[in-house]
Amino acid sequence: QVQLQESGPGLVEPSQTLSLTCTVSGGSISSGSFYWSWIRQPAGKGLEWIGRIYTSGSTNYNPSLKSRVTISVDTSKNQLSLNVNSVTAADTAVYYCARGPDRRDGFFLGSWGQGTLVTVSS
Amino acid sequence: QSALTQPASVSGSLGQSITISCSGTSSDVGSYNFVSWYQQYPGKAPKLMIYEGTKRPSGVSNRFSGSKSGNTASLTISGLQAEDEADYYCCSYAGSSTFVVFGGGTKLTVL
Repeated sequence: QVQLQESGPGLVEPSQTLSLTCTVSGGSISSGSFYWSWIRQPAGKGLEWIGRIYTSGSTNYNPSLKSRVTISVDTSKNQLSLNVNSVTAADTAVYYCARGPDRRDGFFLGSWGQGTLVTVSS
Repeated sequence: QSALTQPASVSGSLGQSITISCSGTSSDVGSYNFVSWYQQYPGKAPKLMIYEGTKRPSGVSNRFSGSKSGNTASLTISGLQAEDEADYYCCSYAGSSTFVVFGGGTKLTVL
């Protein structure tokens, strides 16, 4: 069973770049053909899909965040990364990484990390 | 404002059944059989409960079932147990431009 673990700074200053890493264990990120997603959840609010990356490196993003977001994968480290630039307080949230979704296997987010809280504040 | 509409809260008594609705459009729920449902306890990551509208992952109780009619998907929990008290989110594929949309979430209270 694959496990995911998010990591990164818990505090980011406004206008700066938020950078997070998700480390995958229990399997190689490049074995098989999977999508890997980032999702966020502001305190007391719902889930928001940020984007996904395929094993090959191709990406899809939430149109509302696309201009500020970059997702990448480092197969040598078994990690995926998230960068969100020009952050504001509205980017304060718990950030999750997850495996999926993929239309070929049912389009769901099957394995999730535990999440990491990022606060945007000076 | 979430793309999919869910009731903010539902409640039911122990042993009863409840249904949570997830209203979308012909661009998401209505056009694809890719609705999934997630259960989330406070401070925890979401857990997949239903995918492809009606399928249960291994290990999920058969008290959880999903359905769809038109642009609305539904999650039904039968034989309510105290441990079912949680937030529930629906999610749908929304085409090759938007890709993924979530509902706003429904808080289930077991009385």
